[in-house]
Amino acid sequence: DTEVTQTPKHLVMGMTNKKSLKCEQHMGHRAMYWYKQKAKKPPELMFVYSYEKLSINESVPSRFSPECPNSSLLNLHLHALQPEDSALYLCASSWTGGEAEAFFGQGTRLTVV
Amino acid sequence: GENVEQHPSTLSVQEGDSAVIKCTYSDSASNYFPWYKQELGKGPQLIIDIRSNVGEKKDQRIAVTLNKTAKHFSLHITETQPEDSAVYFCAASMDTGRRALTFGSGTRLQVQP
Repeated sequence: DTEVTQTPKHLVMGMTNKKSLKCEQHMGHRAMYWYKQKAKKPPELMFVYSYEKLSINESVPSRFSPECPNSSLLNLHLHALQPEDSALYLCASSWTGGEAEAFFGQGTRLTVV
Repeated sequence: GENVEQHPSTLSVQEGDSAVIKCTYSDSASNYFPWYKQELGKGPQLIIDIRSNVGEKKDQRIAVTLNKTAKHFSLHITETQPEDSAVYFCAASMDTGRRALTFGSGTRLQVQP
């Protein structure tokens, strides 16, 4: 089973809303990632958690707040987003970072209005 | 940091022909090179990968080659089928330092029936 599950699949939120994206994997992976993908562009790394600790923050604005409650779950808390934050948000996981196979979820299509 | 360049940006082939997509990377410390296929509305799917201690890897109709000296790697798809139509991304990562994937810009492959 190489499944990474993301919820919700679609999300529309206003600029004053607070929402959360969720990601779950049961492969025993110890590294989890958030990527942002704009249309016709490659995924861009946002955050990396390694053994439930934040190891990489790619200078992401504080309106995006990641959380890793346990080794199977990864959340992305959203607050006061801008319309330009509309994108596909992808979660991925791997055994460890580096040269371990990374598996992606289907993504959450976020629209900020 | 790592920079991955990918060419061509679009590729159109007739069904049954071969398709080749090429990538170059900048950081000689990179040692893991996966390829992802992304269909419309879905997350990237890992289709094949290669590590720096191997020069070539094949899985049925797809193969990947790596030239460490020249710092480039390529995806070869033989006997293309309409269902191969998608966006393909190459990526690179390493098991030290920034242990996360850096993606190429993507290639949109269209297989004409």
